[in-house]
Amino acid sequence: EPEVTQTPSHQVTQMGQEVILRCVPISNHLYFYWYRQILGQKVEFLVSFYNNEISEKSEIFDDQFSVERPDGSNFTLKIRSTKLEDSAMYFCASSTKGRGYTFGSGTRLTVV
Amino acid sequence: AQSVTQPDIHITVSEGASLELRCNYSYGATPYLFWYVQSPGQGLQLLLKYFSGDTLVQGIKGFEAEFKRSQSSFNLRKPSVHWSDAAEYFCAVGPPYSGGGADGLTFGKGTHLIIQP
Repeated sequence: EPEVTQTPSHQVTQMGQEVILRCVPISNHLYFYWYRQILGQKVEFLVSFYNNEISEKSEIFDDQFSVERPDGSNFTLKIRSTKLEDSAMYFCASSTKGRGYTFGSGTRLTVV
Repeated sequence: AQSVTQPDIHITVSEGASLELRCNYSYGATPYLFWYVQSPGQGLQLLLKYFSGDTLVQGIKGFEAEFKRSQSSFNLRKPSVHWSDAAEYFCAVGPPYSGGGADGLTFGKGTHLIIQP
């Protein structure tokens, strides 16, 4: 079964540093997403991406965040200047209409 | 705004016993409905989804869920749980034209399932 692949599985970064989280969505999917789950809390939608641009974003997705599809396979989430409260599990997902969503295994980001 | 309520934070069930996890949603129309399972440190695995049609949906690992429009509920059930079912379970809703699409899912806070031997 096709998978969404996320790397790295765990990243530790210092406060104020930039971090890039990487995802390889399922190849024939058209919509890509990032979600965040702070430890012990629910999964929250950050952003969706379609046709090389952001389709929707939540209020969490402020100017510190950006997404990019630099080539035909990767989908990245960049946090420009990390804060302690950015520590969370970040999930990438992809979908194609009518089929639902497939999530990756997540990247655990720890900001110290 | 849409919301998902999972009223039970923790549920403890004996192995072999039946299970029902509750999910209620608030939405302007009938949304697309999902149940995901998350094992510790792992990603989100789709158990089942409801888009339309038969309101009783079968999923993987012996799970099923029933959509009840009148109650705005989408409860997850399993007739006999196994120790490997211990995990966090999330109910989620998405807009009715999606199941894929620009809008993201809204998740409930999750129910932590504990299996007693």
